[in-house]
Amino acid sequence: DAKTTQPNSMESNEEEPVHLPCNHSTISGTDYIHWYRQLPSQGPEYVIHGLTSNVNNRMASLAIAEDRKSSTLILHRATLRDAAVYYCILSPLHSGTYKYIFGTGTRLKVLA
Amino acid sequence: NAGVTQTPKFQVLKTGQSMTLQCAQDMNHEYMSWYRQDPGMGLRLIHYSVGAGITDQGEVPNGYNVSRSTTEDFPLRLLSAAPSQTSVYFCASSRDSSATNEKLFFGSGTQLSVL
Repeated sequence: DAKTTQPNSMESNEEEPVHLPCNHSTISGTDYIHWYRQLPSQGPEYVIHGLTSNVNNRMASLAIAEDRKSSTLILHRATLRDAAVYYCILSPLHSGTYKYIFGTGTRLKVLA
Repeated sequence: NAGVTQTPKFQVLKTGQSMTLQCAQDMNHEYMSWYRQDPGMGLRLIHYSVGAGITDQGEVPNGYNVSRSTTEDFPLRLLSAAPSQTSVYFCASSRDSSATNEKLFFGSGTQLSVL
């Protein structure tokens, strides 16, 4: 299965944009890219996912490199409530949700 | 909306005791699963189910049993608790187990300590 690489931790100032990177150099053409986040003392929650094109939703934007070997989760204006661990996950075609592998993610600290 | 409900939220066991962690979802989801999360680590899949009556092992199944008699419930049983099973346990569900772009919905977790 293709793996992802994320920085262990990042810091951001409140109300500034945050770009969380994810490298997935062995991604195959049919792997979806998913992002989840885990707030303190809670279970992970879905943030966004995409295949090839950039995606936007109310929580964030997902920018996918043209060669798909990397992606970036963009929080447009970080708030203190966005402090969490962010996981980048690949889901191979036909593998199902039971193949979602949660690594250690990126711990985002938001400074007031 | 209840979503995925886990009980209890906290539990302390002595080595060798047995217990069942409960998980229920009210979204009519086909897929349900159990993960454990140890400090500083990601989530590891214990067992999963793709429908009532169907279960399978994940990455770390030893010491745990599951069954899925209804669509709504997926209990996790520890037959003889060991200190190595001290962890936070999360239940998750999704609508379609075979799709690659499905969202996983998680419960709020059970903090288990085995002394």
